[in-house]
Amino acid sequence: DIQMTQSPSTLSASVGDRVTITCRASQSVSNWLAWYQQKPGKAPKLLIYKASSLESGVPSRFSGSGSGTEFTLTISSLQPDDFATYYCQQYNSYSSFGQGTKVEIK
Amino acid sequence: QVQLQESGPGLVKPSETLSLTCAVSGYSISSGYYWGWIRQPPGKGLEWIGNIYHSGSTYYNPSLKSRVTISVDTSKNQFSLRLSSVTAADTAVYYCARLMGSGWYPLDYWGQGTLVTVSS
Repeated sequence: DIQMTQSPSTLSASVGDRVTITCRASQSVSNWLAWYQQKPGKAPKLLIYKASSLESGVPSRFSGSGSGTEFTLTISSLQPDDFATYYCQQYNSYSSFGQGTKVEIK
Repeated sequence: QVQLQESGPGLVKPSETLSLTCAVSGYSISSGYYWGWIRQPPGKGLEWIGNIYHSGSTYYNPSLKSRVTISVDTSKNQFSLRLSSVTAADTAVYYCARLMGSGWYPLDYWGQGTLVTVSS
């Protein structure tokens, strides 16, 4: 099984801040990695796939990078709608998710 | 617009079998793509359960494989999840979703989720 580890678990930030979330895989997943945003009581929403491809309709302030075992999700200028929990998912070997990173208001 | 809707009992007794169905509208399952089940215990993260193709080909999470069965009914445009011998640890919101392609892909359309509680 491929284990996905996100850091930090919680992140406090202000509107306008640049935010970076890291996801590490226990073995290489090439670039088969996705990022999701989840708000309370809602289903996750796909933001990024194939490590750096932006899903249609997702604001360009979201970007992804990395390959192999280390990946990052960056929000260039945090907006009020971005306070949520973010998950990474590998789909190189079966599928598994990170434990989540909650972005909260500072 | 692809839409998915989970349905099934919200309460299941320990040791019994959890059964959920996902009805798909706006897209024919027979046209392709894989379809999946994911769950999320209250206050916790996401766990992939398994995927199915319209042909019936399945992939299951190894940690759940002995208890999981996913099936598809193309005539009703729906797919189903059965999880046997449930315990309190299986209490979760269960989501159905569509994978972006016919293979290992991320999940681009999700149902709203349904809470299943395991309790006597």
